[in-house]
Amino acid sequence: AQSVTQLDSHVSVSEGTPVLLRCNYSSSYSPSLFWYVQHPNKGLQLLLKYTSAATLVKGINGFEAEFKKSETSFHLTKPSAHMSDAAEYFCVVISNAGKSTFGDGTTLTVKP
Amino acid sequence: KAGVTQTPRYLIKTRGQQVTLSCSPISGHRSVSWYQQTPGQGLQFLFEYFSETQRNKGNFPGRFSGRQFSNSRSEMNVSTLELGDSALYLCASSLEGFTGELFFGEGSRLTVL
Repeated sequence: AQSVTQLDSHVSVSEGTPVLLRCNYSSSYSPSLFWYVQHPNKGLQLLLKYTSAATLVKGINGFEAEFKKSETSFHLTKPSAHMSDAAEYFCVVISNAGKSTFGDGTTLTVKP
Repeated sequence: KAGVTQTPRYLIKTRGQQVTLSCSPISGHRSVSWYQQTPGQGLQFLFEYFSETQRNKGNFPGRFSGRQFSNSRSEMNVSTLELGDSALYLCASSLEGFTGELFFGEGSRLTVL
């Protein structure tokens, strides 16, 4: 069985400050890990993915995530938040059998 | 390249009715997945189709069904609608199926009265 835990349901930062969205996973095998972003009334868009290559993954819009197997974590970071980053973020695990499991989501608020 | 297209975008049904939602994947994508998104349950996986075969299934009752056609377009059907079926239904297509990037449509928002 696999599971995903997003440790914060809401994160609020000021514009220009760093962003940290935390994700822990549980999987019986080497999973593929993804971060997706969803803006209001929109579908999800891929930010970045880890598929057993480099442990530090760079994505779009300045986001990056580090895969830490020993901690079973895949936290998402960005050095400087922008107002347009306000959205809901999902951490996703996909097994080698193709089954996807989504975290409950983290709502990011960016204050001016 | 056109993205994933879901129709209809919005619909209202009453309890006991049935509904069919359609998803056209990105050209060349053979895998289509369906998800239900609600404020209380979050995003939940319904099923995944690849080359007209259901390859994975989530934990939903038999009222939820789907199919995929030879052109990779997919439909999902919900019979005997319940109030709790009100949700945003998202479709995603993938080139690779397993471990590939999912490309999402904007969803079909179903309201059951």
